[in-house]
Amino acid sequence: DAKTTQPTSMDCAEGRAANLPCNHSTISGNEYVYWYRQIHSQGPQYIIHGLKNNETNEMASLIITEDRKSSTLILPHATLRDTAVYYCIVRVVSGGSNYKLTFGKGTLLTVNP
Amino acid sequence: GAVVSQHPSWVICKSGTSVKIECRSLDFQATTMFWYRQFPKQSLMLMATSNEGSKATYEQGVEKDKFLINHASLTLSTLTVTSAHPEDSSFYICSLGRANEKLFFGSGTQLSVL
Repeated sequence: DAKTTQPTSMDCAEGRAANLPCNHSTISGNEYVYWYRQIHSQGPQYIIHGLKNNETNEMASLIITEDRKSSTLILPHATLRDTAVYYCIVRVVSGGSNYKLTFGKGTLLTVNP
Repeated sequence: GAVVSQHPSWVICKSGTSVKIECRSLDFQATTMFWYRQFPKQSLMLMATSNEGSKATYEQGVEKDKFLINHASLTLSTLTVTSAHPEDSSFYICSLGRANEKLFFGSGTQLSVL
């Protein structure tokens, strides 16, 4: 799976949008971009994923650049409960059983009151 | 709703004893499950891939005789830490999902070996 690069930490004011960047310059054409987050002492939680087009769900929006070498996760109105480590992962989605997720170090997002 | 059930949430044991952690799929039949561990302030590290009805595939550096994985049914995989030592103290997490779809994670098990 392609390697990703994320800032170690970010801060955001409560109620403002949080924009988390991720670089994946070696991404292949058949690799998706996934975002998960992990709140302290819990299992990771799925947020969103995409291939080429921008995606939006009830939790967040995912903006992928046209060359697919980077993406941004947007939490439109951050709350204190959004404080967590956010992981950007790229992986091939295939029909085989080897569809594991490989985690990098992620970004610790701290939402401040 | 919850897709994965992991038990126990936390366990404290004496050095030299064995500990079993269960991971259950609640919503569908999971032919493959993944086991991760996480040390404090570090990221998740994949330990092994558990395949129903066959031997697990271990990542490099993970001792298969120490971390026994059994995936006897499509809804249950277990991880047994044998002869646990303080250095095995960690947060263990299971994951499952269908191919071509997102993966779901258990709530994790905090193991403390005294």
